This record gives sequence, structure tokens and C-alpha cells, in this order.
Amino acid sequence: GENVEQHPSTLSVQEGDSAVIKCTYSDSASNYFPWYKQELGKRPQLIIDIRSNVGEKKDQRIAVTLNKTAKHFSLHITETQPEDSAVYFCAASRGGGTSYGKLTFGQGTILTVHP
Amino acid sequence: GAVVSQHPSWVICKSGTSVKIECRSLDFQATTMFWYRQFPKQSLMLMATSNEGSKATYEQGVEKDKFLINHASLTLSTLTVTSAHPEDSSFYICSAKLLETGDFYEQYFGPGTRLTVT
Repeated sequence: GENVEQHPSTLSVQEGDSAVIKCTYSDSASNYFPWYKQELGKRPQLIIDIRSNVGEKKDQRIAVTLNKTAKHFSLHITETQPEDSAVYFCAASRGGGTSYGKLTFGQGTILTVHP
Repeated sequence: GAVVSQHPSWVICKSGTSVKIECRSLDFQATTMFWYRQFPKQSLMLMATSNEGSKATYEQGVEKDKFLINHASLTLSTLTVTSAHPEDSSFYICSAKLLETGDFYEQYFGPGTRLTVT
């Protein structure tokens, strides 16, 4: 099955700095890679995702890059703000069809942005 | 759109009793729903895949006789924790995939159910 490794487990930055979280996956058939932000006791919220036919995607301060050859993908947050503080999870799955879509999550990264 | 609800949001039960958790897609149909378990300060672990009208598919290590899943309609899946024990205390989260021409990839998560077994 799929295995997703996520680093670092904790990340502390100053407000305005950039934050980078990296994930590697094992299943070369995985083709959908979402990133989630989860606040304590809440549901995971999708913040950005990327599919295997794209190498990079950006949405305002958030960007994700994908290297299919190396089987790794990264989340980049620029101009961090205190409200970005949360736990971030990467995930991987084979998308499409009713039999697919199982998400395998990374271990999570606790991001703390200091004012 | 694409809202998923769970009920109850939290429940406390005594050891040995059973608890049912509902997951509903409110404004879309979902042939497939997923159940995850999340222990404190840990990641989400997939427990099972629930398909409407068929038996659930359980992940390795998840006891199907303990965690009963029923996907009775295109908008409702239930998870019943039978003979609950304190080690079953966790945050249970469901998610649903869109049925039709919407995004086959994206899943929509419910708000989670906090189960505490005393």
C-alpha cells in the first residue's frame, strides 16, 4: 500500500517568513496530492491540491510543487501570519472512480507562526 | 455546497456499550464514504471505505466485527462501535466523494465525532 512520509514534524517561524513542508510517497500510481490544514478539534480543511499532470500550483500565499520522478511534493507558505498556525497534513491517493480515492496521510506538521 | 455532517459531535459511553455515528452528505450524493480515526496529536488513519449498497472494505488491522459500517443510501453512512472499550476513545471523521460530474478526486470531510469510553 501507499506510505507517505512528512517532514518536519514541527516548524516554528516568525511572522512574514516562509514555511516549507515536504512529503514523499511510495506508490507510483498515486496521482492526487492534497494538503490539509487542521485546527484543534476541527475537521481537516483542504488548502491546496495538485494532480500528477501538473508540476506546480499556486493560490495566493500557498504553493505546492510535485516531483513525480522523485516521488515527493512540497507545500510552500509565504508571508506567514499567526493565523496560519495549525497542523498541516499532506496526503496521497489514486483519484478517479468509485473504487479509488483512499487517502493516505502523512504524519503531520505543527506549524507555529510567532508574531 | 459539498457539506458533510456528522452526528453526534461528541459522545461519552460506558465500556461494553455500543455507539452509532452518522455521516451525511447534505447537498450531494456520495457513493463512497470513508471513515478515519485520529488519536490525539496523531494523523488520520483510514479505517474503512464505505460504498452504497455493498459491504464496506476495511483496512488491515481494523476489526470489521467491532466497527460495523452501513452505507444505506447515497447520503448516509453509519459507523457503529460495538462493545466499546477505553482504547476506542478517539476522534472519528468521515469523508465523502462526489458521485457525478464533480471532482472525483476531492473528498469532503465531516466535522468529526469525539468518542470517549469510560
